[in-house]
Amino acid sequence: EIVLTQSPGTLSLSPGERATLSCRASQSVSSDYLAWYQQKPGQAPRLLIYGTSSRATGIPDRFSGSGSGTDFTLTISRLEPEDFAVYYCQQYGSSPLTFGGGTKVEIK
Amino acid sequence: QLQLQESGSGLVKPSQTLSLTCAVSGGSISSGGYSWSWIRQPPGKGLEWIGNIYHSGRTYNNPSLKSRVTISVDTSKNQFSLKLSSVTAADTAVYYCARAIAARTYFDYWGQGTLVTVSS
Repeated sequence: EIVLTQSPGTLSLSPGERATLSCRASQSVSSDYLAWYQQKPGQAPRLLIYGTSSRATGIPDRFSGSGSGTDFTLTISRLEPEDFAVYYCQQYGSSPLTFGGGTKVEIK
Repeated sequence: QLQLQESGSGLVKPSQTLSLTCAVSGGSISSGGYSWSWIRQPPGKGLEWIGNIYHSGRTYNNPSLKSRVTISVDTSKNQFSLKLSSVTAADTAVYYCARAIAARTYFDYWGQGTLVTVSS
């Protein structure tokens, strides 16, 4: 099973700042099959990024994904008020599908 | 617009079987290229994939849940279901149904989730 470790656990930033979230895999993620989700309190996760760097439909271009192998990054170029949430990475290169433990982006 | 809606018992006694159904609207569950999934999230914790089913009935489950999981599909009702047997308090969670892109298995549409509590 691939274990995904997200860091930091909490990121305290102000609107307008840049957010950099890390997702590290315990072994190489096949074909860079890595996705990112955003979850707000009381809501289901929302797909942001798939295939490491492809934005899902309707996702603003301030969200970008990068990485390969075992190290992946989600970058939010300029935080908007609606971006404060918890973010999860997920690998789908091998079974079982696994998620990271999440990074909370909170308002500083 | 595709919509998924979970329904089922919100309170289950220990050792009993949890049963949930996900009704799909705005699209056909028989459409090729997709699989239909269950994911859960214990209160205040992260996400855990439970399993997937294709419209053909083929399933893939998380080995961590061993043989407790049964996922089935009813194409005539455009819905799929989850049964989790021998539940304990550790199975208390919000259960989500979701659509996955087949052969890629990331989740592009989610239900709103339903809380299932295991308690006597």
